[in-house]
Amino acid sequence: AQSVAQPEDQVNVAEGNPLTVKCTYSVSGNPYLFWYVQYPNRGLQFLLKYITGDNLVKGSYGFEAEFNKSQTSFHLKKPSALVSDSALYFCAVRVPTGAGSYQLTFGKGTKLSVIP
Amino acid sequence: DGGITQSPKYLFRKEGQNVTLSCEQNLNHDAMYWYRQDPGQGLRLIYYSQIVNDFQKGDIAEGYSVSREKKESFPLTVTSAQKNPTAFYLCASTPRRQGGTDTQYFGPGTRLTVL
Repeated sequence: AQSVAQPEDQVNVAEGNPLTVKCTYSVSGNPYLFWYVQYPNRGLQFLLKYITGDNLVKGSYGFEAEFNKSQTSFHLKKPSALVSDSALYFCAVRVPTGAGSYQLTFGKGTKLSVIP
Repeated sequence: DGGITQSPKYLFRKEGQNVTLSCEQNLNHDAMYWYRQDPGQGLRLIYYSQIVNDFQKGDIAEGYSVSREKKESFPLTVTSAQKNPTAFYLCASTPRRQGGTDTQYFGPGTRLTVL
């Protein structure tokens, strides 16, 4: 089955320190990978995606993600965390459903807390 | 959240009642999706529709029904057959352009509570 895994339910980081939210994937073929962020009682906001090309993908709000094919990982990173980055982060992978259609399969989410 | 609206934001239902959640988009997107979110379980796909008048079951379709009579609208009905309907429901859409990457854009969600 094609899936993503987020091994950490929660990540705590001090404000100003670099942050990493981990994601590993299991897919056949070339993966299309996404990161989304969710603030309390809100919908998901798209941060960035990897389709092909440069392994370092830059996205919104200063976030970036590194695609590593050998480690089947797509970790989300930010050089300097802000308190306002505190939220729930989801990794997702595009999965074919047949007849040229696709759906996204999401990880269970990682709660990021940035401590002042 | 822009471009996709969900209503109401909060919804309370008595056991045994059907309830319909609204999802409208003005992005001219072809495909629309419904997800259910429970704490610690991430998002699970309920139904999706790639085109008007067509839809497919997702991973947890039992107890739910949908319709897609218009491109911009994809209402979800939570029926009395759904055993544990209390959850946060999210609607999403994507352009589905040929060669597109299927980035999904989400509405603000509806929190359903069964009393």
